[in-house]
Amino acid sequence: KQEVTQIPAALSVPEGENLVLNCSFTDSAIYNLQWFRQDPGKGLTSLLLIQSSQREQTSGRLNASLDKSSGRSTLYIAASQPGDSATYLCAGTYGGATNKLIFGTGTLLAVQP
Amino acid sequence: SQTIHQWPATLVQPVGSPLSLECTVEGTSNPNLYWYRQAAGRGLQLLFYSVGIGQISSEVPQNLSASRPQDRQFILSSKKLLLSDSGFYLCAWSVPTGGISLSGNTIYFGEGSWLTVV
Repeated sequence: KQEVTQIPAALSVPEGENLVLNCSFTDSAIYNLQWFRQDPGKGLTSLLLIQSSQREQTSGRLNASLDKSSGRSTLYIAASQPGDSATYLCAGTYGGATNKLIFGTGTLLAVQP
Repeated sequence: SQTIHQWPATLVQPVGSPLSLECTVEGTSNPNLYWYRQAAGRGLQLLFYSVGIGQISSEVPQNLSASRPQDRQFILSSKKLLLSDSGFYLCAWSVPTGGISLSGNTIYFGEGSWLTVV
């Protein structure tokens, strides 16, 4: 069964800290891995997508890595800001014509000013 | 640019009443379309997906149904709502696998619809 797990479920850090969010998946035959941000009561915003042939992707202060062999992905946020507070979700795609995502349950991040 | 619209944003419905949530995508053709549900304290669960007009696949047995009457329109329905249908419903789209996209197969989500069944 394809499952995606995120640890920790919640994280609180002071402003300015660098932090890492973790995502693990049980099926290494992953097509791609995506990280999303969800603000309270809102839809999801795509942050980064890593194809299975890639090891990492960067966008601004965000860096996501993918290690298929260990079934892990991390999202690194540099110099965190209060505006980064949100729930972060990772999701794996297992290919086929459907491009279906298997989501983790998310990490709720609070950046304290 | 592509946009996705989903409505209504919020609704409160009594048990046994019907449901219709609508989603439309603009700026793209033949997208893959999805309905997800996010229940309180749980992750997102894929309910339905569609790779073309009239083509609907259901991921989990449930009280809901979906239809795709037009290329960029996806509707989530129920004839009789249950309390357990309460949740946050999200529509999403992606370029089909094998399609040309600079962002690969990124999935784009609507703003969501809060459904409370009372």
